Amino acid sequence: AQSVTQLGSHVSVSEGALVLLRCNYSSSVPPYLFWYVQYPNQGLQLLLKYTSAATLVKGINGFEAEFKKSETSFHLTKPSAHMSDAAEYFCAVSTGNTPLVFGKGTRLSVIA
Amino acid sequence: SQTIHQWPATLVQPVGSPLSLECTVEGTSNPNLYWYRQAAGRGLQLLFYSVGIGQISSEVPQNLSASRPQDRQFILSSKKLLLSDSGFYLCAWSGLAGGTDTQYFGPGTRLTVL
Repeated sequence: AQSVTQLGSHVSVSEGALVLLRCNYSSSVPPYLFWYVQYPNQGLQLLLKYTSAATLVKGINGFEAEFKKSETSFHLTKPSAHMSDAAEYFCAVSTGNTPLVFGKGTRLSVIA
Repeated sequence: SQTIHQWPATLVQPVGSPLSLECTVEGTSNPNLYWYRQAAGRGLQLLFYSVGIGQISSEVPQNLSASRPQDRQFILSSKKLLLSDSGFYLCAWSGLAGGTDTQYFGPGTRLTVL
């Protein structure tokens, strides 16, 4: 069975600072990994996904994530935070033919 | 392109009343369909998923049920709502059109049970 742990339920950064949201996964087979973003009272929007191609994955809105098998991690980063990045972020894992398993989410606040 | 619709967007219901939430997908055929619930501060909980008409898998025992009467229609129901059923309900699809491994979410339904 797969599982996802997101470290930190709430992360606060200053505008222009680095954003780092942490995700560790557990999977008995090579995983597919995803990051989604959710704005208040909206559905989830796909930011990026890793499906065993390049380990560094670039997504929308300037975000990227790096798959590190040795660390079982898939952390999300953005070099410079913008006020519009304030949202909840979810990491998820699957094996390709199973429903996604989500982490509990990390709320990102951006301070002006 | 594919789109997913959910309605209603918001709903306020008394305890003990019935529930019917609808989800439809356009622009693809034979999608996998999913219902999730998001309660405050508790992340996403998978409730049901379906790989075809009439094929429903239940992930969590509760007073909710799901049906898939048509290929691109997924309905979440309850005969008698509980206070604990309050939350944000999200429908999602995956399939060949978008990559079988990737789920795409609808806008959600905010349910408040009073």
